[in-house]
Amino acid sequence: SQQGEEDPQALSIQEGENATMNCSYKTSINNLQWYRQNSGRGLVHLILIRSNEREKHSGRLRVTLDTSKKSSSLLITASRAADTASYFCATDSGSRLTFGEGTQLTVNP
Amino acid sequence: EAEVAQSPRYKITEKSQAVAFWCDPISGHATLYWYRQILGQGPELLVQFQDESVVDDSQLPKDRFSAERLKGVDSTLKIQPAELGDSAMYLCASSSIYGGTGSYEQYFGPGTRLTVT
Repeated sequence: SQQGEEDPQALSIQEGENATMNCSYKTSINNLQWYRQNSGRGLVHLILIRSNEREKHSGRLRVTLDTSKKSSSLLITASRAADTASYFCATDSGSRLTFGEGTQLTVNP
Repeated sequence: EAEVAQSPRYKITEKSQAVAFWCDPISGHATLYWYRQILGQGPELLVQFQDESVVDDSQLPKDRFSAERLKGVDSTLKIQPAELGDSAMYLCASSSIYGGTGSYEQYFGPGTRLTVT
């Protein structure tokens, strides 16, 4: 079963623009993680935010977490063509990671 | 940089045949996961090992799927017999404790794409 729901399902932007993806979930969590998946490949961990954190940065990535709304957002600034991929949020409720269905991001050169 | 290894990368098999996938996690990672990812969806956990012990196989279709990690290092996932609906990407991942808090990130292999005809 999928706990996280990403929004939008697909996003197409121009190189240099910012991309924002949202994730909503249903149950309480220990942490929330974002992963990237290039076409036909394995997933790559991007960032982990704990339930007691509200914002975290890593390079061009900014993640926010609002546990009262059970939602998170991933912002990619100054996007590049190489950022084209699927992005998944995954919630850790203590026993396992549960992945959403992902946002397909296309960055056009 | 250490990586999770999986083989084969691609597998085509006929329905009712047996198929097996192999995974070698990052050295020292005690926890190993097998996921199934259907095209257009996120990965779903099939089985989780801690060393050689299964800690979660609640989503594993045990009538046809089996998994083992005999020496607590590499692992094999088997399907017998394969069905058309088993066509998917099978991903292996491993993890260790992150930051000492119990929160962890998972390192994924490249996956095995299975096509059942």
